[in-house]
Amino acid sequence: SQQGEEDPQALSIQEGENATMNCSYKTSINNLQWYRQNSGRGLVHLILIRSNEREKHSGRLRVTLDTSKKSSSLLITASRAADTASYFCATEKQAGTALIFGKGTTLSVSS
Amino acid sequence: ETGVTQSPTHLIKTRGQQVTLRCSSQSGHNTVSWYQQALGQGPQFIFQYYREEENGRGNFPPRFSGLQFPNYSSELNVNALELDDSALYLCASSVDVQGEQYFGPGTRLTVT
Repeated sequence: SQQGEEDPQALSIQEGENATMNCSYKTSINNLQWYRQNSGRGLVHLILIRSNEREKHSGRLRVTLDTSKKSSSLLITASRAADTASYFCATEKQAGTALIFGKGTTLSVSS
Repeated sequence: ETGVTQSPTHLIKTRGQQVTLRCSSQSGHNTVSWYQQALGQGPQFIFQYYREEENGRGNFPPRFSGLQFPNYSSELNVNALELDDSALYLCASSVDVQGEQYFGPGTRLTVT
C-alpha cells in the first residue's frame, strides 16, 4: 500500500522557475525522504528530514515537514532542464523499517 | 553512481517461468532491501535482508523469495511468474538496517 501521496502528479515549468511538490502521508513517521528518478532508472536520495525537524536545505532544494498536517513539500529553486525527472517522497514509520513510497510527481523543465 | 549494481538490466520471461535477479551491495553495507516498481507507481517494499537473514517483508506472496550471501550480495527469486510481475525491480543497500538506502539502477522484468 502507498503511504504517501504526491501532488501534483505532473508539473511543467520553464527553466529558472521554482518547482514545488507536496507529499501527504497517513501515519506517524520517524523521517521522510525525497528521491529523484530519471526515466525509470534507479532512485537518487535527495534529502532526509526527521520528524522533529521542520525545514532542511540542500543546495537548491528546500524541504519542509508539518507533522500536524502529515505533509511535506519539496521546493527546487531556479530549475534547470536537468531537473526533469520523477520525484518521490518516502516515509519511514520507525527507525529501520521499510520505506513506503508515494506515486511520485513528474517534473518537466523546458529550456 | 551509488556503487550498487544489479543484473541483468533487462529480462523477458514467459508466464509460469521462474526468474532470479541479482544485486551487489555497496562496499561496507550489510543490509539489502528489494522493491518492486510497477509502471507509473512508486516502489513497493518486497523484503529486506540483514546479515543473511530476512529482516522484514512487505505484502508479497511466498513465490517471491530471496537470499543474502556472506559477501552481502543478494538475490531475488520469483516463481510462477504472472503478467502483473512485470515491473522495475530495485535493490538498495545500507550500512545497517537504519542506514540511508542507496539504490541500484534496477532490473526491468517483462512477463509475456
